[in-house]
Amino acid sequence: NAGVTQTPKFRVLKTGQSMTLLCAQDMNHEYMYWYRQDPGMGLRLIHYSVGEGTTAKGEVPDGYNVSRLKKQNFLLGLESAAPSQTSVYFCASGRDTDTQYFGPGTRLTVL
Amino acid sequence: KQEVTQIPAALSVPEGENLVLNCSFTDSAIYNLQWFRQDPGKGLTSLLLIQSSQREQTSGRLNASLDKSSGRSTLYIAASQPGDSATYLCAVNGAGNKLTFGGGTRVLVKP
Repeated sequence: NAGVTQTPKFRVLKTGQSMTLLCAQDMNHEYMYWYRQDPGMGLRLIHYSVGEGTTAKGEVPDGYNVSRLKKQNFLLGLESAAPSQTSVYFCASGRDTDTQYFGPGTRLTVL
Repeated sequence: KQEVTQIPAALSVPEGENLVLNCSFTDSAIYNLQWFRQDPGKGLTSLLLIQSSQREQTSGRLNASLDKSSGRSTLYIAASQPGDSATYLCAVNGAGNKLTFGGGTRVLVKP
């Protein structure tokens, strides 16, 4: 099993550009999550999904959109990137209240 | 709103010493508490998960305790090794099955 994978690993954007981060899991987990990690701020939840076709807002959802069209994939979109969105983005998946399994992260820089 | 605090933010010990990492949280209505390890530039690896009904959980040299009523958890790492150097994060699983993370404790074990 590959576990949780994220694409791409690194990306540099200019302000105003758009992009989509892809998260895939092969563990048949219902729950999937997107977090961002910033120095001094820890990990914060952006959006999450409790099953295929569902999405919900987390702690810091502004400027991001998500979609869960297939159970194994969870997409995070930035429609108009801003320098404040420079961060490391982590995807995670899990079953109900069980352990969450994290991907390796995507380092995004917005210039 | 749940708040999770980890003190100290950084810790340096000589090899062989026992490590004691502290985590406190403000809302005792939790499903479980997880401890993660994060190596520089990497994702998070789950170490231990303690259910809200448990008092402690052990895995090898790691032991985690939970006192839900006082909002505290402690991670003990026995006989530390240089390979234990990493950042340790605690996360509380609360309402809506969402994790709230502490800021982490950066550990350096000196040979």
